[in-house]
Amino acid sequence: QVTLRESGPALVKPTQTLTLTCTFSGFSLTTSGMCVNWIRQPPGKALEWLARIDWDDDKYYSTSLKTRLTISKDTSKNQVVLTMTNMDPVDTATYYCARTVAGNIHWFDPWGQGTLVTVSS
Amino acid sequence: DIQMTQSPSSLSASVGDRVTITCRASQGIRGSLAWYQQKPGKAPKLLLYTASRLESGVPSRFSGSGSGTDYTLTISSLQPEDFATYYCQQYYDTPPYTFGQGTKLEIK
Repeated sequence: QVTLRESGPALVKPTQTLTLTCTFSGFSLTTSGMCVNWIRQPPGKALEWLARIDWDDDKYYSTSLKTRLTISKDTSKNQVVLTMTNMDPVDTATYYCARTVAGNIHWFDPWGQGTLVTVSS
Repeated sequence: DIQMTQSPSSLSASVGDRVTITCRASQGIRGSLAWYQQKPGKAPKLLLYTASRLESGVPSRFSGSGSGTDYTLTISSLQPEDFATYYCQQYYDTPPYTFGQGTKLEIK
């Protein structure tokens, strides 16, 4: 069974850097085709894809946020880390991680339960 | 980036009704479309992929169709548990992936 779980701070201050961790089980990011994505959702608003990291360490970023995002992986811990710099109140959102499979499965399934991050001084 | 325009943004319907939600892509996406259902406080749940393929365990009252730029999600007979927000997502020539703005389905 594939599961993912997000963790990180619930509150960050404006201008700070956010670091979120996705810990997963049921698959390995050393397996060909496996990918982990980050998606966010501001309260009451739509979903927004942020970034993806692949088993071969290829990385992809949102066009509008790519200057602020960095995604990385620690295969020994089955973790993917997303950092977002220069946080602003508009970045307040629930942040999800989800799996896709390169070449085959570009829909998100499964998802983690999400972690709410509030940006406020 | 491919833009996804979803309509309507909200919809009121009754149990037993047939409802249709539409998603239009800014360019052809050749069926590279998924639909999700999201309930308050929960992560989205995959319903359909490749425009019309039902995810395992999803009731058959959900169906999808479309081609090119225009796609629809249909619920043939609304059940109480179907009242939720629905999102489309394109994955053509990805990344970046993009979502529609969502359709909130409410009880009339």
